[in-house]
This record gives sequence, structure tokens and C-alpha cells, in this order.
Amino acid sequence: DQQVKQNSPSLSVQEGRISILNCDYTNSMFDYFLWYKKYPAEGPTFLISISSIKDKNEDGRFTVFLNKSAKHLSLHIVPSQPGDSAVYFCAASVTRSGYSTLTFGKGTMLLVSP
Amino acid sequence: GAVVSQHPSRVICKSGTSVKIECRSLDFQATTMFWYRQFPKQSLMLMATSNEGSKATYEQGVEKDKFLINHASLTLSTLTVTSAHPEDSSFYICSARDPNRADNSPLHFGNGTRLTVT
Repeated sequence: DQQVKQNSPSLSVQEGRISILNCDYTNSMFDYFLWYKKYPAEGPTFLISISSIKDKNEDGRFTVFLNKSAKHLSLHIVPSQPGDSAVYFCAASVTRSGYSTLTFGKGTMLLVSP
Repeated sequence: GAVVSQHPSRVICKSGTSVKIECRSLDFQATTMFWYRQFPKQSLMLMATSNEGSKATYEQGVEKDKFLINHASLTLSTLTVTSAHPEDSSFYICSARDPNRADNSPLHFGNGTRLTVT
């Protein structure tokens, strides 16, 4: 049972345009969401996060939107750059005292062409 | 710079042998570390939570006798794949969270270990 779903395995975008990566979740207990970026043969690196009390969080070229009623979040990258080409993982967690484990989606491979 | 170091990055072993993977937190002491596994085109799946000074907590379906976890110090956790078989071939990644930060601060990941069992 996939609790975090990234239904698009890949996305191709031209440099300078907007990249929109989507993520859906089924567990209503999730209250914190993160996006990670992963290059081949490397571990994921944290990109941006959002708490369930917000519907938008922005950091430079990256913006994450959360629609709790639809259990949907998206990552917008604008303008997209070739260096953004990587696999993007959506992850979700339930806040706990001490630590929280992450549930990941399968990832979306983004290819930004010059 | 990297805050979680994982070694080795790649290992090829013969079926039946054991392989040890090390995960170190570099800038902080981690009482808890997380081991993930990723099969091709799949998501990162949590295998177990490594707890310093106590037994690891394994996720459902993960054999604790096959994947031995030892969290011997506040900066080191090891995962040993015992009697490895070809189906254990995967990408293993460890992660940790800086305990001095908020509970929801992002996990820092190592660079992963690509295990190939022949």
C-alpha cells in the first residue's frame, strides 16, 4: 500500500520554464512533507519542506504547495535549470516527539534540457 | 559538506558472504539512525531504525537476523547483510537527524552503498 504516490515517473522541461512535480498521499495523519533531490549514486539531499498548517512555502526558485483536502502537494521550480535534472522524492512524516520516520514516494526523474 | 558519511559506496560480494556497511554522523551525535533500501525504480523503503545502546527496530517484513544492525556509538551505526543472496542486491542508504534541531528537521542521508551479490 503506497501511502505516498508520485504518479509521474519522469518529466521533461526546457530550461527557463516551470517544472511542476506532483505528489499525492493517503494517510491523513501525515503532517509534515518534504522534497528531496537525488543524483545518481548519491544519497538524497533535502530541498524544501512544508508543515500541514501551511499551504505554501517558498525558497528561492522552489515553492511547495500543499492542498490538504485533496491530499496533494506539488513542487514548483521556476525557472528550471539543467542542473535541476535529478530524481525528486516526495516524503511525508507524522510528527512525533524524539524522531519521525519518513515515507517516500517512488520519485520523479526531472530532465531539464538547455 | 556531508554530515552523514557512508562506507563503502559500492561493494560486490559472492553469494553466502556477509557485508558490513558503516554509517557515521560527522557533525553531530545521533542516538537514532535510519537504514533505507531502494530497489530500481522504487521508493526508498525504511528497513530499520538503529538506536544507540539498544536494539534496532525493524520494519515489517525485514529479517532482523539477516540485516544485523549495531549502533555502537553516538556517531556510528553499522548494517551487516549476512549470508547475502542475489536478491539482496540493492542500494542501501543510511540517514540521521541532528538531535539539536527540531523533531521535524530534515534527515541527512549518506551517499548510499550499492550492493551487488553475485
